[in-house]
Amino acid sequence: GAVVSQHPSRVICKSGTSVKIECRSLDFQATTMFWYRQFPKQSLMLMATSNEGSKATYEQGVEKDKFLINHASLTLSTLTVTSAHPEDSSFYICSASRTSGPDTQYFGPGTRLTVL
Amino acid sequence: TQLLEQSPQFLSIQEGENLTVYCNSSSVFSSLQWYRQEPGEGPVLLVTVVTGGEVKKLKRLTFQFGDARKDSSLHITAAQPGDTGLYLCAGRSGNTPLVFGKGTRLSVIA
Repeated sequence: GAVVSQHPSRVICKSGTSVKIECRSLDFQATTMFWYRQFPKQSLMLMATSNEGSKATYEQGVEKDKFLINHASLTLSTLTVTSAHPEDSSFYICSASRTSGPDTQYFGPGTRLTVL
Repeated sequence: TQLLEQSPQFLSIQEGENLTVYCNSSSVFSSLQWYRQEPGEGPVLLVTVVTGGEVKKLKRLTFQFGDARKDSSLHITAAQPGDTGLYLCAGRSGNTPLVFGKGTRLSVIA
């Protein structure tokens, strides 16, 4: 159990366009979802934490107006990269947790974003 | 800010050799996890340790949590090419989200 999916797995877009990435918990309800960004050959950096029905909490240095996060249901969170630029190209990974406490985080397979 | 330092950053060894990867911090963690990540995929959880001094074994992998819960190690015995990947440690303190180390990129050559 505890499967997390992401869609799309890969996306290529033109500079200036917006891209939406979905994260779904397939067999459990996720009170909390996390969004990470991973640049090539680097580790995962937490971008934001979202609780269902609440505004996301962004990490220092992450622009909330550029990376829009919506967690409208217990099984779906979306990350929208607005006005994407080449420097936003990265591997975006979500994870989901059943509770908002110190619970296990289940990771999705990631989405490779390439901005031309 | 909690930081997790991993060493070595890169490791290339021959099949059959043993290796140890270290994860150190000045902070105390309530739990620490080890993940393995393949290129283009999300990290996959290998183990969670929560008790100081705890040792867990997963086939040829041995994980240890330091007595003070500030450090951990991953030891692989008789490494195989299938062990190749990025190994990440991640810690949590209380209610905070997971904090990841920078990872150790392991390459096992046949």
